[in-house]
Amino acid sequence: ETGVTQTPRHLVMGMTNKKSLKCEQHLGHNAMYWYKQSAKKPLELMFVYNFKEQTENNSVPSRFSPECPNSSHLFLHLHTLQPEDSALYLCASSPLGTGEAFFGQGTRLTVV
Amino acid sequence: AQTVTQSQPEMSVQEAETVTLSCTYDTSESDYYLFWYKQPPSRQMILVIRQEAYKQQNATENRFSVNFQKAAKSFSLKISDSQLGDAAMYFCAYRSAPYASGTYKYIFGTGTRLKVLA
Repeated sequence: ETGVTQTPRHLVMGMTNKKSLKCEQHLGHNAMYWYKQSAKKPLELMFVYNFKEQTENNSVPSRFSPECPNSSHLFLHLHTLQPEDSALYLCASSPLGTGEAFFGQGTRLTVV
Repeated sequence: AQTVTQSQPEMSVQEAETVTLSCTYDTSESDYYLFWYKQPPSRQMILVIRQEAYKQQNATENRFSVNFQKAAKSFSLKISDSQLGDAAMYFCAYRSAPYASGTYKYIFGTGTRLKVLA
């Protein structure tokens, strides 16, 4: 256990559905991240939040909408996704200053 | 822009033997961190070892050690006395100097799948 919890672990959704991924950390970290992990590709950084402020949006399509209501919770709202969006979505948090990123177990998303 | 390259998609090692995983990176920064993460089938990314760029001494954590060559921008991971539980995907990662916001960018390689043979 790394202290970062993601729910759900698995999600299957149709292209017209709306769903949300949730990430929670109680490590006292200031920064939270969403990454997309696809087979044979490096992890792709999607969004970065510092406390509740979004500090980076890595040219992510608008069908992905992040929300960070407080420094412990991070959401990724999904709507009208495409099959190529099927991937493992990883949440991470890190402290400001020295230290590494701590990852959740990911949500395996399948878009049908 | 920073990049991280892992040129070995897959490696195998006999149990109790030693294996080295390669990683190279490109950056113009002088202040950064390097990490090796392990991702077993459970999908949880777990930190294996970290190296601060300003430290010349190579980091070690029990059976895991790195060979950090800053001038060559090389950061390899050596696993000694390999165990069956070491089987996983291993990712090399680069952490940039902080942005003005105080956050960092973590950049990952494509990973190396390590198989441990009994």
